[in-house]
Amino acid sequence: NAGVMQNPRHLVRRRGQEARLRCSPMKGHSHVYWYRQLPEEGLKFMVYLQKENIIDESGMPKERFSAEFPKEGPSILRIQQVVRGDSAAYFCASSPVDREETQYFGPGTRLLVL
Amino acid sequence: GQQLNQSPQSMFIQEGEDVSMNCTSSSIFNTWLWYKQDPGEGPVLLIALYKAGELTSNGRLTAQFGTTRKDSFLNISASIPSDVGIYFCAGLNAGNNRKLIWGLGTSLAVNP
Repeated sequence: NAGVMQNPRHLVRRRGQEARLRCSPMKGHSHVYWYRQLPEEGLKFMVYLQKENIIDESGMPKERFSAEFPKEGPSILRIQQVVRGDSAAYFCASSPVDREETQYFGPGTRLLVL
Repeated sequence: GQQLNQSPQSMFIQEGEDVSMNCTSSSIFNTWLWYKQDPGEGPVLLIALYKAGELTSNGRLTAQFGTTRKDSFLNISASIPSDVGIYFCAGLNAGNNRKLIWGLGTSLAVNP
């Protein structure tokens, strides 16, 4: 059973460009979470999604950031008009229906904004 | 936002020693999770605890869900060099819409 998959693993963008981060949950998991981590810091919750629904986006910046989890395909975290402060590791996690709180993480996408 | 108090912040030990770390909360939790993160990788789930008083082992790792439901402990016995990494605790307070609350991590270094 493949784990949570994220791509790309590394992404370099110039200021003002768009970044798209993809996450494929574990097979059978219908809940996806996105986190952000700065160097030497813990994980910061961003958003919790189920298929076609955003359940909790209280950790998402109000502007430039959006997330979706369509009926088909991976979950996407989209950052528009990136700034240097967006540079971080972005982790996706998924959880099964019967244990929503037990989250399994992907390897992360490291975003560097030049 | 709310965070868990995780301690110690860092540890430097000799190979073969036992390690103990803990997390505490000001509110009652229904679930405790322990993760390990290696540099450049995502957190890996080590142990999940769902009941007060529960004691669960995973190899040399043992974790307990405190009876007050406000704390949890992780012990590593006979540490080895590959135990190096950052250990995070996370908990679920049922009143917060299923959003895990995270500790800031315990950084473990093992001297061979």
